[in-house]
Amino acid sequence: AQRVTQPEKLLSVFKGAPVELKCNYSYSGSPELFWYVQYSRQRLQLLLRHISRESIKGFTADLNKGETSFHLKKPFAQEEDSAMYYCALSSTGRRALTFGSGTRLQVQP
Amino acid sequence: DADVTQTPRNRITKTGKRIMLECSQTKGHDRMYWYRQDPGLGLRLIYYSFDVKDINKGEISDGYSVSRQAQAKFSLSLESAIPNQTALYFCATSKTGDYGYTFGSGTRLTVV
Repeated sequence: AQRVTQPEKLLSVFKGAPVELKCNYSYSGSPELFWYVQYSRQRLQLLLRHISRESIKGFTADLNKGETSFHLKKPFAQEEDSAMYYCALSSTGRRALTFGSGTRLQVQP
Repeated sequence: DADVTQTPRNRITKTGKRIMLECSQTKGHDRMYWYRQDPGLGLRLIYYSFDVKDINKGEISDGYSVSRQAQAKFSLSLESAIPNQTALYFCATSKTGDYGYTFGSGTRLTVV
């Protein structure tokens, strides 16, 4: 069975500080990993996916198959980054995305 | 106009009542999903549909049923609502081969 673990429910940092939101997964095959974000009063939306190796809003995430992790990082947090972040996994084949429990990021001024 | 629309936005119902949550989309996506969100538990999959005739149970389907009336419509029913089904329900869509979901704005359901 596939599982996504986000160990932190809340991460609070000051503006300008580095941010790392942790995500670990368990899956025996080759997963696709994603980060979704939900800003206050907005819909859940895709932030980035590991396949595209892109940087969105200054965030990056690297898939580490050895450590089964897909941590989300940003070198300098901004107040507008405050939101709920969900890590998600898809397996090969037909299944839908499996989401983690989410981490709330608070960026204080 | 929103491309994934959920109705109602909020609903309070009594224990034992049947209730239907509706989702419609103008994205032209073939896949649709229902998730529920609970504090500390994240999003859990209830049902998903890869086509009008292809409906699958998710991890928490007990107490729920779905209907895919058309490619654009996917309804979730609670046959006999119970208080622990109080949650925020999300509909999402995607196209085959792409797990970039488009989410609706959610339905907040309270069962009293």
